[in-house]
Amino acid sequence: GIQVEQSPPDLILQEGANSTLRCNFSDSVNNLQWFHQNPWGQLINLFYIPSGTKQNGRLSATTVATERYSLLYISSSQTTVSGVFFCAVGGMNSGGYQKVTFGIGTKLQVIP
Amino acid sequence: EPEVTQTPSHQVTQMGQEVILRCVPISNHLYFYWYRQILGQKVEFLVSFYNNEISEKSEIFDDQFSVERPDGSNFTLKIRSTKLEDSAMYFCASSDLMDPQETQYFGPGTRLLVL
Repeated sequence: GIQVEQSPPDLILQEGANSTLRCNFSDSVNNLQWFHQNPWGQLINLFYIPSGTKQNGRLSATTVATERYSLLYISSSQTTVSGVFFCAVGGMNSGGYQKVTFGIGTKLQVIP
Repeated sequence: EPEVTQTPSHQVTQMGQEVILRCVPISNHLYFYWYRQILGQKVEFLVSFYNNEISEKSEIFDDQFSVERPDGSNFTLKIRSTKLEDSAMYFCASSDLMDPQETQYFGPGTRLLVL
């Protein structure tokens, strides 16, 4: 199956700092999503981004599908974004159905 | 904006008891999924469901698990005899047949604790 690697596994940022999270995947995919999991465990979808660049507030994401990676940019980080960021890629399984594989996540802590 | 909903948000049960986790997918979606996340670990795929049958299941989805679409709106995950290691967050997701990106929309999750 598809392998998804995320880096770094852990990250501590000073409030207001910028950072980039990376997601590498081992095979071609037809979808890629970035999620934020808050401290209460809820998964919040941030981006559906199989290719190209999107922006949402202080977050933006770029996927280069041909090179099998995606980047999530966090600018001017706030304590409210502390949590875990997951990359999840979607591809077709042998039966022709969609399957989503998650990376292990980047645990982010933003300190005041 | 349409969203996937899940009930209950939290459930505590005794080992050996049956639990049913409920999900209401987005109304025009035809593909449904269950995932679980053991505390501190990554989200894992359990099962996908289409046209009233399982389309794929992982090795985690053993005979203790079953899924059902009992009516036109609900999608359920049943665990027949819960074990301590079934304690996890369970996420339901759905996707649209007509969406070229086949994006899966996730519900907020049900936190299951088996004592």
